[in-house]
Amino acid sequence: QSVLTQPPSASAALGQKVTVSCSGSSSNIGSNFVSWYQHLPGTAPKLLIYENNKRPSGIPDRFSGSKSGTSATLAITGLQTGDEADYYCGTWDYSLSAGVFGGGTKLTVL
Amino acid sequence: EVQLVESGGGLVQPGRSLRLSCAASGFIFDDYAMHWVRQVPGKGLEWVSGIRWNSETTGYADSVKGRFTISRDNAKNSLYLQMNSLKGEDTALYYCAKDRGFSDRDFYGLDVWGQGTTVTVSS
Repeated sequence: QSVLTQPPSASAALGQKVTVSCSGSSSNIGSNFVSWYQHLPGTAPKLLIYENNKRPSGIPDRFSGSKSGTSATLAITGLQTGDEADYYCGTWDYSLSAGVFGGGTKLTVL
Repeated sequence: EVQLVESGGGLVQPGRSLRLSCAASGFIFDDYAMHWVRQVPGKGLEWVSGIRWNSETTGYADSVKGRFTISRDNAKNSLYLQMNSLKGEDTALYYCAKDRGFSDRDFYGLDVWGQGTTVTVSS
């Protein structure tokens, strides 16, 4: 059972928008930055969002992140078939003194 | 080119030890915290351990605490994970990853990842 809770799956039509939620607590999301990762099978995870809502260079603005209280959200607009992947949120948890990831959300583009 | 390359994985019997290495290049290694993250086949990402830029602080997941030790050699641009008393549940693909921050407790975003090295614990 992951400390951060994500829906196991999400789907939306090609070209549409999808959001992925990440729910935590005051000891993790509530007091630390959240980052988001895209993971395609057989490849290394890729950082999509850092410090809640910032994009690394090279990440298109179709990807955006937000945080409110103890929850965070990843939004992807203009969905493409290449966006089909597993998405993970991550942060630091002060109570556990450990890094934590969500359980992952498998995105399907219809 | 910014790069992390893991090595040292393999097949090992339960109870034995293994040492993973991660060679960094293309960035100032001793400016950043580093982490180990693993993925059990068919499961999600699991943070394993992290280390501050100067090795002053380290952290471990409860599942490996007391058995694994993270270390780094900034002169060699290298990160290590000493894994002792290995168990079947340690079987996974192990990634090393660079933090955007300098503290293991920052977790500002893991922006560089290696391709991983596979550890299989089985008799």
